[in-house]
Amino acid sequence: DAKTTQPPSMDCAEGRAANLPCNHSTISGNEYVYWYRQIHSQGPQYIIHGLKNNETNEMASLIITEDRKSSTLILPHATLRDTAVYYCIVRGQPRGSRLTFGEGTQLTVNP
Amino acid sequence: GAVVSQHPSRVICKSGTSVKIECRSLDFQATTMFWYRQFPKQSLMLMATSNEGSKATYEQGVEKDKFLINHASLTLSTLTVTSAHPEDSSFYICSAILPGAWANEQFFGPGTRLTVL
Repeated sequence: DAKTTQPPSMDCAEGRAANLPCNHSTISGNEYVYWYRQIHSQGPQYIIHGLKNNETNEMASLIITEDRKSSTLILPHATLRDTAVYYCIVRGQPRGSRLTFGEGTQLTVNP
Repeated sequence: GAVVSQHPSRVICKSGTSVKIECRSLDFQATTMFWYRQFPKQSLMLMATSNEGSKATYEQGVEKDKFLINHASLTLSTLTVTSAHPEDSSFYICSAILPGAWANEQFFGPGTRLTVL
């Protein structure tokens, strides 16, 4: 699985959009980009995933660059409960294979 | 949605004792479960892959005789830390594969905080 690079920490004001970047320059054609988050002392929670098209769900939007070498997770209206460590993971086939967690980005949403 | 539970949520034990942690998929059957360990201020590290009815596959550096994994049913996997020592104190998290789904197929439990005195 390709390696990812994320900033160690970011701050965001409550109500504002939080944009979390991820670099995955060695991603290969059949690898997906996944985002999980982990609130302190809890298990990780799936957020979103994508291959090459931008994706949106009720939690977030995922913007993947055309060359697929980087992506951005967008939380449109961050709340205090979004304070967590966000992990960007690149993973290929087969389905059900393991996830390799990097260091992630500690997002702190401030009132 | 798919729910994974862990029991206990936290445990404190004396050095040298064994501790069993349970991971259950509550509303689905999971042929594959994963066990992770997380030390303070660090990321999750995969310890082993647990497959129902077969032996677990351990990651490099994880002692299989110390961390016993049993996946005897499609809804339960157990991790037993044998002869626990203070350096085994950590946050242990399991995840289960949801059959038939591709996207968010791994559902994580809430974790078990182990403290060895």
